[in-house]
Amino acid sequence: ETVMTQSPATLSVSPGERATLSCRASQRVSSDLAWYQQKPGQAPRLLIYGASTRATGIPARFSGRGSGTEFTLTLSSLQSEDFAVYYCQQYNNWPQTFGQGTKVEIK
Amino acid sequence: EVQLVQSGAEVKKPGESLRISCKGSGYSFTTYWISWVRQMPGIGLEWMGRIDPSDSYTNYSPPFQGHVTISADKSITTAYLQWKSLKASDTAVYYCARHAPGYIISSWLDPWGQGTLVTVSS
Repeated sequence: ETVMTQSPATLSVSPGERATLSCRASQRVSSDLAWYQQKPGQAPRLLIYGASTRATGIPARFSGRGSGTEFTLTLSSLQSEDFAVYYCQQYNNWPQTFGQGTKVEIK
Repeated sequence: EVQLVQSGAEVKKPGESLRISCKGSGYSFTTYWISWVRQMPGIGLEWMGRIDPSDSYTNYSPPFQGHVTISADKSITTAYLQWKSLKASDTAVYYCARHAPGYIISSWLDPWGQGTLVTVSS
């Protein structure tokens, strides 16, 4: 299966700063990559699909890029509601797989 | 509004059976696959399998094949995840989620149900 590796495991950022999260696939997944946000006690929420397309209602401060095996999610100016765990997911190869998550915490 | 509403938390003993549900509303239920995703305590997300509600065709991730059964009843727009014999290691939150239409292998998942906590303990 395609292993998705996210880094770092934890990212400490001050409100208003930029955060960049990475996701690497063990084999090429084209642009078939999604990002999700999960807050404690809540279900994951889709942020990005197709590596760079924001889902409906997602603010422009969330942006994704990459293709093949290397992907990034950038939060341009962190708001208090953005502190959460972020997961990447590839859906190019069967079975679809998730990364282990990056926790974005308040510095 | 597109919604997936899951059944409530369950507490079971090892060896017992269980079926949890996921009811879709606000869209054509038979047009979109439904997947189930496991989240063990403090751990990330694991894709378990999916169902095409139009014909109940299913795929399972290898670690879950044979241990769970995914089914659907399109007449009541509900998908199910079922165990015949629970283990303590099945303790987790289980989410259902809707696929995007038209993809052959898989797709992103949106929306997600609110999750069902399953606790298996003697």
